[in-house]
Amino acid sequence: AAGVIQSPRHLIKEKRETATLKCYPIPRHDTVYWYQQGPGQDPQFLISFYEKMQSDKGSIPDRFSAQQFSDYHSELNMSSLELGDSALYFCASSSRLAGEQFFGPGTRLTVL
Amino acid sequence: DQQVKQNSPSLSVQEGRISILNCDYTNSMFDYFLWYKKYPAEGPTFLISISSIKDKNEDGRFTVFLNKSAKHLSLHIVPSQPGDSAVYFCAARESKRDFGNEKLTFGTGTRLTIIP
Repeated sequence: AAGVIQSPRHLIKEKRETATLKCYPIPRHDTVYWYQQGPGQDPQFLISFYEKMQSDKGSIPDRFSAQQFSDYHSELNMSSLELGDSALYFCASSSRLAGEQFFGPGTRLTVL
Repeated sequence: DQQVKQNSPSLSVQEGRISILNCDYTNSMFDYFLWYKKYPAEGPTFLISISSIKDKNEDGRFTVFLNKSAKHLSLHIVPSQPGDSAVYFCAARESKRDFGNEKLTFGTGTRLTIIP
């Protein structure tokens, strides 16, 4: 079965650079959630989209923005990167019929 | 403020025995609970869920019990197998009228090790 795809899997950036993370949800899933997991921490909700509209917002810095496109894929844009942004970033998708969120493999971002 | 807590950071269980992972929550608005399993370098994998209208849900070797009055849930794995060794996250959410507005709140995870 098709799963959530995230790219890239690993990303290394310098401080103050920008990064773009991509998420391709499971086919026919209309909702995307983004989570950030710092070292030794639980995943923290960042932002979600339903039918291409932002549906909820969590502890997402103003330096970050995201959107969901017409094909339902989503991109998380991160600017002015800081050392503390180093983390695993997970995308999850769900649909109205399947309430559970299914997670992608994550993108490991390292800021040097 | 940790609304979902897993007080045991690690647990070791002999192969073939029962593994019991515990989770407590504080937010009384949570009405749907999920367990995820996570291997290193992979995303969380959905295992089993339970709605607050139930007190038990079973799927193969996995059973989740919910005690609403105690705000406590547990995951039972029986019999435990070496492939069950992973980090297990408890997660909770509030059902909302607006779909797409059901973010998960995670616990800190329990690392389960099955000893052959």
